[in-house]
Amino acid sequence: GNSVTQMEGPVTLSEEAFLTINCTYTATGYPSLFWYVQYPGEGLQLLLKATKADDKGSNKGFEATYRKETTSFHLEKGSVQVSDSAVYFCALRGYSTLTFGKGTMLLVSP
Amino acid sequence: SQTIHQWPATLVQPVGSPLSLECTVEGTSNPNLYWYRQAAGRGLQLLFYSVGIGQISSEVPQNLSASRPQDRQFILSSKKLLLSDSGFYLCACLAGPNYGYTFGSGTRLTVV
Repeated sequence: GNSVTQMEGPVTLSEEAFLTINCTYTATGYPSLFWYVQYPGEGLQLLLKATKADDKGSNKGFEATYRKETTSFHLEKGSVQVSDSAVYFCALRGYSTLTFGKGTMLLVSP
Repeated sequence: SQTIHQWPATLVQPVGSPLSLECTVEGTSNPNLYWYRQAAGRGLQLLFYSVGIGQISSEVPQNLSASRPQDRQFILSSKKLLLSDSGFYLCACLAGPNYGYTFGSGTRLTVV
């Protein structure tokens, strides 16, 4: 079946540091891939997506590239801000449901 | 684009009491709808999903049930709550081909 593996958190960074959150997946075919962000006490918001191999999703300075050969969709940002502190979920789309990773908490200090 | 309304935002209920959480969707018709639970500090657990009125798929057998009485309404229920039912409940709608979910703002349930 489908599965998503994310790096364990929390990831602790200083403001303006470079961010990478690793995500790898197992799936049949070439599913669409997503990153969601959850701020404390809120629901999940779609951050970015990619629908086919080599696509790069981007939003709010975050980027992720769909790598078919390594079955990966790592999230990156060149310079994080305190306001980026949140939990980040990687997900893939199956036929009618999304499969999520366990989430990675990001803590950014000033 | 879809908008999901969930209520209430927070709920404190005693053990053994009933539960009803409601989710309604705007901006689309015949959506796929989902209930997820997120325990404190943990990931998302898919509880139920529905592809149409009266059609419910249960992913995890437990103390909860779901119903879809109308096209854009999805209800999560329990006859008798357990302490283990505490968590953050999220309703979601599938936005379309090649799209992911749109989520509601969630309900924080504490069973005491």
